Amino acid sequence: AQSVSQHNHHVILSEAASLELGCNYSYGGTVNLFWYVQYPGQHLQLLLKYFSGDPLVKGIKGFEAEFIKSKFSFNLRKPSVQWSDTAEYFCAVNARTGGFKTIFGAGTRLFVKA
Amino acid sequence: GAVVSQHPSWVICKSGTSVKIECRSLDFQATTMFWYRQFPKQSLMLMATSNEGSKATYEQGVEKDKFLINHASLTLSTLTVTSAHPEDSSFYICSAGEGETQYFGPGTRLLVL
Repeated sequence: AQSVSQHNHHVILSEAASLELGCNYSYGGTVNLFWYVQYPGQHLQLLLKYFSGDPLVKGIKGFEAEFIKSKFSFNLRKPSVQWSDTAEYFCAVNARTGGFKTIFGAGTRLFVKA
Repeated sequence: GAVVSQHPSWVICKSGTSVKIECRSLDFQATTMFWYRQFPKQSLMLMATSNEGSKATYEQGVEKDKFLINHASLTLSTLTVTSAHPEDSSFYICSAGEGETQYFGPGTRLLVL
């Protein structure tokens, strides 16, 4: 069965600090990988996605993620966070063989201090 | 991008009543939709896969008689929480997709008193 593990439940950073959120998945086949963001009181928004090709994926708002197949990882990065990045971030995976049902990690709550 | 809507956005009901939540794909057709539940400060948990024209597929531990799913058309799936109890209070989210990419609805917040 597919599973997704996010390493940090809570992260607190100061503005301009660099961000890296860890994500590992467990699945033997070909997967599609996603990072979603959920701002307080709002619904999920897609930050970026990886299906195939260049393992370094750039998303919206300056975020990027790197797929490392050998490590089953898809870590999210941003060189310089802003106060407005305060939100909860979810790593997720789906696969054609699973009917594209999406499995989410537990989420990482990021708080950026102004 | 594609848009998925949910109705209502929030609902308060008395214990023992049933509540229906609608999920619509507004600008595309979806043979499959998914229903998730998110408890406060927790992640989204997949409840079931809604299949147009056939029975839904439920995840382990989800009561199919409690959470009735109907996917009557290619743009509409409904989730009915039957005989709701306070422990059913949660944020219910649907998604619909075009292949690999799923588009999520804004969610329905259910409070059962």
